[in-house]
Amino acid sequence: AQRVTQPEKLLSVFKGAPVELKCNYSYSGSPELFWYVQYSRQRLQLLLRHISRESIKGFTADLNKGETSFHLKKPFAQEEDSAMYYCALSGGQKVTFGIGTKLQVIP
Amino acid sequence: DSGVTQTPKHLITATGQRVTLRCSPRSGDLSVYWYQQSLDQGLQFLIQYYNGEERAKGNILERFSAQQFPDLHSELNLSSLELGDSALYFCASSGQGGDEKLFFGSGTQLSVL
Repeated sequence: AQRVTQPEKLLSVFKGAPVELKCNYSYSGSPELFWYVQYSRQRLQLLLRHISRESIKGFTADLNKGETSFHLKKPFAQEEDSAMYYCALSGGQKVTFGIGTKLQVIP
Repeated sequence: DSGVTQTPKHLITATGQRVTLRCSPRSGDLSVYWYQQSLDQGLQFLIQYYNGEERAKGNILERFSAQQFPDLHSELNLSSLELGDSALYFCASSGQGGDEKLFFGSGTQLSVL
């Protein structure tokens, strides 16, 4: 079975502070990990995926197979980063999402 | 715009009723996924179709069913509706079975009264 755990439902940070959204996964095979974001009144969209090793809007995420984690990080939060963030795992022809973390950036 | 179209955007119905939600995937995408989003459960995977065939099943109730048609659009049928079925239902599509990024529709907000 595959499982994605996002331990924080809500994360509040001040503008300019570092952000870390936690994601842990459980999967017996070789997973593909993603972060999706949902801004207010918009549809879910892909933010980044681990195989791309890219930085999008200042966000990065590193797959740590030893800790089975894929935490999303940004050194300096911006107000426009406020949104719902979902960690997702693709494996065995299924895509499983975590419960989501609402990031609130306080001006 | 992701290219994934969902209709209707909003649906209000009563308990015990049956509704059909429709999804048109991005042009060329063969996979369609259905998700249910509620405040306390997050995004729950319901079911996936690939080129007309059921590929993976998640936490889908027996009262719910889905299919993907030859033109690749998909329908999610919800029957004997209960108050707890009120949620946002998302459809997503991808190019291949589960290994590509998902493109989401804007969702159908179902309210069961």
